[in-house]
Amino acid sequence: EDQVTQSPEALRLQEGESSSLNCSYTVSGLRGLFWYRQDPGKGPEFLFTLYSAGEEKEKERLKATLTKKESFLHITAPKPEDSATYLCAPTGSARQLTFGSGTQLTVLP
Amino acid sequence: DGGITQSPKYLFRKEGQNVTLSCEQNLNHDAMYWYRQDPGQGLRLIYYSQIVNDFQKGDIAEGYSVSREKKESFPLTVTSAQKNPTAFYLCASSTSDRGLWPLHFGNGTRLTVT
Repeated sequence: EDQVTQSPEALRLQEGESSSLNCSYTVSGLRGLFWYRQDPGKGPEFLFTLYSAGEEKEKERLKATLTKKESFLHITAPKPEDSATYLCAPTGSARQLTFGSGTQLTVLP
Repeated sequence: DGGITQSPKYLFRKEGQNVTLSCEQNLNHDAMYWYRQDPGQGLRLIYYSQIVNDFQKGDIAEGYSVSREKKESFPLTVTSAQKNPTAFYLCASSTSDRGLWPLHFGNGTRLTVT
């Protein structure tokens, strides 16, 4: 059974304080790993897809990386508008996404 | 602008009543999905459809039903058989082959059953 664990569950940062979110996974035949951002009361918004170990993707203050067992979402010099819940979802040979429960990020001004 | 529209945003029902949640997309996507989100849990797949007039059960299909009569529409019915229906329901779509393409989500329907 595919499993995903995101840590920490919640993270509070001061504006400008860089940090990383972790997504550990056990997936048979990884086909890809997706990162989403979700604002309260809204649907998730797609951020990145990573397909193979060693791959990196960047968007503004966010950078996602992938190894064979985990993915990191690095946030550099965050701003309050980066506050949201970040979800990761690997997909394996069964072609079913398994969503983590998310990391709730709060960036204080 | 293309996107996914879910309606209504909030829905209140009495226990024992069936209720249907609407999902419409104008992205010309073949595949559509329904997920349920509960606090502290990851999104769980209820049903998905790869093409019109065909759909498959996800991990938690019991107590739910769907139809896919048009490419643009994928309504979800929460029946009285669903033991714990209060949740946030999300509809999504993708180009095809959900293992490789990202999902595009609507903004959800929050269902409260009392």
